[in-house]
Amino acid sequence: AQTVTQSQPEMSVQEAETVTLSCTYDTSENNYYLFWYKQPPSRQMILVIRQEAYKQQNATENRFSVNFQKAAKSFSLKISDSQLGDTAMYFCAFENSGYSTLTFGKGTMLLVSP
Amino acid sequence: DTEVTQTPKHLVMGMTNKKSLKCEQHMGHRAMYWYKQKAKKPPELMFVYSYEKLSINESVPSRFSPECPNSSLLNLHLHALQPEDSALYLCASSRAGGNQPQHFGDGTRLSIL
Repeated sequence: AQTVTQSQPEMSVQEAETVTLSCTYDTSENNYYLFWYKQPPSRQMILVIRQEAYKQQNATENRFSVNFQKAAKSFSLKISDSQLGDTAMYFCAFENSGYSTLTFGKGTMLLVSP
Repeated sequence: DTEVTQTPKHLVMGMTNKKSLKCEQHMGHRAMYWYKQKAKKPPELMFVYSYEKLSINESVPSRFSPECPNSSLLNLHLHALQPEDSALYLCASSRAGGNQPQHFGDGTRLSIL
């Protein structure tokens, strides 16, 4: 079974600064997908970024980028120029190739302050 | 804007009641999901429907009964729930075939008295 570990239960950052959320996972599979989802206090879960394991290039979406280290089984999320609206719970998730079952980490609560 | 619509937003029910949660999407997605989420915890997958057929049941108690009447609609029928079933119930949808980003609704906050 796959496991996803987020070792930072809470993090704080000031507006305009950069913050990195860590995520490690354990799997024996070679093909899989990794996701970061964001859940603001209003509850709706939103996809932030998606990485396919067979792609070496790190995914980027505007201010959000990942550092994907396949050998180390690490998938960290970097948020640049943090904004108040980035305050949310961030979940790292793993999915085997061809399946529709996400394995979530326990989440990291990010607080962005003025 | 929420593309996956869940109703009701809040529901309080007794342990002997029967109620239903509703989820609707019009994105043409053919995979739909029910999750249960406790406070400050990640979502736990309950059911997956693919092309209106139940494809995954994560050993959910029979007091939860899912139904997918058509490709846009997903229901969760509730009966004889327990206090520990109080949680946020999230619906999500995606393209079928696996590994597609899931689009979540706002959820239904369920409280069992």
